[in-house]
Amino acid sequence: GENVEQHPSTLSVQEGDSAVIKCTYSDSASNYFPWYKQELGKRPQLIIDIRSNVGEKKDQRIAVTLNKTAKHFSLHITETQPEDSAVYFCAASYTGNQFYFGTGTSLTVIP
Amino acid sequence: GAVVSQHPSRVICKSGTSVKIECRSLDFQATTMFWYRQFPKQSLMLMATSNEGSKATYEQGVEKDKFLINHASLTLSTLTVTSAHPEDSSFYICSARDWSSQETQYFGPGTRLLVL
Repeated sequence: GENVEQHPSTLSVQEGDSAVIKCTYSDSASNYFPWYKQELGKRPQLIIDIRSNVGEKKDQRIAVTLNKTAKHFSLHITETQPEDSAVYFCAASYTGNQFYFGTGTSLTVIP
Repeated sequence: GAVVSQHPSRVICKSGTSVKIECRSLDFQATTMFWYRQFPKQSLMLMATSNEGSKATYEQGVEKDKFLINHASLTLSTLTVTSAHPEDSSFYICSARDWSSQETQYFGPGTRLLVL
């Protein structure tokens, strides 16, 4: 089955700095990679996703890059704000079937 | 955007009782729903995939007789935790896949189960 690893587990950045979270996956058949943001006690919210036919995708301050050969993908958040503080999960999936989540990264943006 | 609801949001029950959790897609049809379990400060662990009109597919290590899943319509899936024990206490979250968008899953708000 798919195995997704995520690093770092915790990340603290100063407001305005960038944050990068990295994930690796094991199943080369995986072709859909979403990123979710989860605030304490709340549901995960999709923030960005990327499909395997694309190498990079950007949405305002958030970007995701994918390296299919190396089987890793990364989330980049620029100009971080305190409201970006949350737990972020990456996931890998084959055509939207079962999602296999990474272990999560707790991001703290220090004002 | 797509909305998924879950009921109840919180439940406390005695050991040995059964608890049913409902997951509904409110503004879209979901041929597939997923059930996850999340322990404090941990990731979401996929428990099972629920397909409308057919039997659920359980992940390895998840007891199908313990966690009964029914997906009777395109907007409703239920998870019943049978003969609950304290170790079943957890945060249970469902998600639904919008058939029109293929991959995207929308999550419910979760149900916090506490078994005494």
